[in-house]
Amino acid sequence: EADIYQTPRYLVIGTGKKITLECSQTMGHDKMYWYQQDPGMELHLIHYSYGVNSTEKGDLSSESTVSRIRTEHFPLTLESARPSHTSQYLCASSAHNGYTFGSGTRLTVV
Amino acid sequence: KQEVTQIPAALSVPEGENLVLNCSFTDSAIYNLQWFRQDPGKGLTSLLLIQSSQREQTSGRLNASLDKSSGRSTLYIAASQPGDSATYLCAVTYTGNQFYFGTGTSLTVIP
Repeated sequence: EADIYQTPRYLVIGTGKKITLECSQTMGHDKMYWYQQDPGMELHLIHYSYGVNSTEKGDLSSESTVSRIRTEHFPLTLESARPSHTSQYLCASSAHNGYTFGSGTRLTVV
Repeated sequence: KQEVTQIPAALSVPEGENLVLNCSFTDSAIYNLQWFRQDPGKGLTSLLLIQSSQREQTSGRLNASLDKSSGRSTLYIAASQPGDSATYLCAVTYTGNQFYFGTGTSLTVIP
């Protein structure tokens, strides 16, 4: 049973649209992360947060932004989607017992 | 830059075989190490977590070992089944914060 939820599961959207990918966790974890992964490729950290009002950029440069207003919620926003943003986006949270991942959002920008 | 390497990149075995997946990391001062499985197009499912003070963890047919001094971890899968076919990833953390992921081993178990 998933304790971290991502919506939508799949999204097809036109170029130039603003989108927000949702991520929520019910475990009370302070640490949350967003990864980007192309098919068959490795995970790239794009954003992370170690608590409310704390956000940092990851190793991979991304045009997306994040916010952390509540512990349980860590949404990712693309102000103007482009075809190069087509990818899978994975949200995770962590505590002393390691990472827990959501099911991911597969984004296609046409 | 912390590096995590997984060998082999791909592995194909007949059903029923026992197999070992390898993970190596450059810095032995890890906080903990976690093994995941990922099915195509899906998120990551946690399999086993090994704390730095532990040498191994077991769950069903899976056994993960950790040798910090040599910078290595192995995931042993006993009596493999077609349902085990997936990509297996290891990840290490040095502070309990960010994890560093390997590139994965793609496993195919042939019926």
